[in-house]
Amino acid sequence: EAGVAQSPRYKIIEKRQSVAFWCNPISGHATLYWYQQILGQGPKLLIQFQNNGVVDDSQLPKDRFSAERLKGVDSTLKIQPAKLEDSAVYLCASIPGLTRQETQYFGPGTRLLVL
Amino acid sequence: AQSVTQLDSQVPVFEEAPVELRCNYSSSVSVYLFWYVQYPNQGLQLLLKYLSGSTLVESINGFEAEFNKSQTSFHLRKPSVHISDTAEYFCAVRALNTGFQKLVFGTGTRLLVSP
Repeated sequence: EAGVAQSPRYKIIEKRQSVAFWCNPISGHATLYWYQQILGQGPKLLIQFQNNGVVDDSQLPKDRFSAERLKGVDSTLKIQPAKLEDSAVYLCASIPGLTRQETQYFGPGTRLLVL
Repeated sequence: AQSVTQLDSQVPVFEEAPVELRCNYSSSVSVYLFWYVQYPNQGLQLLLKYLSGSTLVESINGFEAEFNKSQTSFHLRKPSVHISDTAEYFCAVRALNTGFQKLVFGTGTRLLVSP
């Protein structure tokens, strides 16, 4: 089966610009996650979707970050306007549902550099 | 809330030598435990996990980890490493008592295997 797809793989922008990342989870996976991985740190959850509804966005900087999963399949994460500290790898992950023993499958990530 | 500590940011080792990557966690509730591996320019891949049962879990490529509840540890070991094991390794936990399945990661340990 195909894995989690993400695009673009790399993005360089200047501060105060906008940027969007796209994720297509594994087919049939109802739950989707966006993580932020800053250099030298472990991934940190930004937002979790169950189908097209938000389950947890407590760590999403909502003044500049937004995410949607309108049809419950692919998802877009947007940053507007970007700051230097947003430079990181943005990882998307998915699981089939919410049973407690499921493993999260990760995409290759989008590496963002804000200048 | 949960937290994960990986004290070693980098572990250099010679090929065919044994290695241990340390992971300690803190949680007020029971947790599931995971080790993920990240090869250069790739996404996170699940290496092994502890959900229940035997406290010693093994991966298909020779790694093993032992859950020690009293010491709140989940150290990763391999008796003989290969050059191809060079990667970053992340320990993660997930609370049992929630359906959110949020993973909390450590800061990672970079394993550098040299000939």
